[in-house]
Amino acid sequence: EVLLVESGGGLVKPGGSLRLSCAASGFTFSHYCMNWVRQAPGKGLEWVSSITSSSDDIHYADSVKGRFTISRDNAKNSLYLQMNSLRAEDTAVYYCARGWAYSGSPFDNWGQGTLVTVSS
Amino acid sequence: EIVMTQSPATLSVSPGERATLSCRASQSVSSNLAWYQQKPGQGPRLLIYGASTRATGIPARFSGSGSGTEFTLTISSLQSEDFAVYYCQQYNNWPLTFGGGTKVEIK
Repeated sequence: EVLLVESGGGLVKPGGSLRLSCAASGFTFSHYCMNWVRQAPGKGLEWVSSITSSSDDIHYADSVKGRFTISRDNAKNSLYLQMNSLRAEDTAVYYCARGWAYSGSPFDNWGQGTLVTVSS
Repeated sequence: EIVMTQSPATLSVSPGERATLSCRASQSVSSNLAWYQQKPGQGPRLLIYGASTRATGIPARFSGSGSGTEFTLTISSLQSEDFAVYYCQQYNNWPLTFGGGTKVEIK
């Protein structure tokens, strides 16, 4: 069974930093693209970032470009999102989602999410 | 950026009835269109990809159609577990974009 478990969320002040993690199990992590998607309270889904299996192709939404960094450690079956210069509008539940073997594919498995709250 | 527009925002349907959800892209996304279902407090679940292919384990009452800019998700006979929010997503171009969602509620 594919399992994606996010962690690292919490309350942070504007301008602060946070690092999210996603622990993957139940599949060969190094074979798949991975993604972060967020959902502000009561709102819809917003794609944040994607990374290929070998980390050679990375994409970001304009809203986070230059502030967020996606990375992965295939030896640890883990995906990360380093979030710097956080703003109130970054408040959301952040989901880790599995893509397919190639970049720009649908997300076939999702985690339960971790809540990030940016507030003073 | 490709804008995805879903309609209606809310759909009130009785159990056993048919539900038809629409998704329109601001430019062609070919068949690179997915549908997701999300229930409160849960992560989304992939229902349809390639505009019309059901994902693993998805019941046959869910069907997708369309290509280019116009897409439809049909739930042939609504079950109690189908009341949820549904999102379309294009994965043809960066940035990947989602529609605003359609909430299917009990009439």
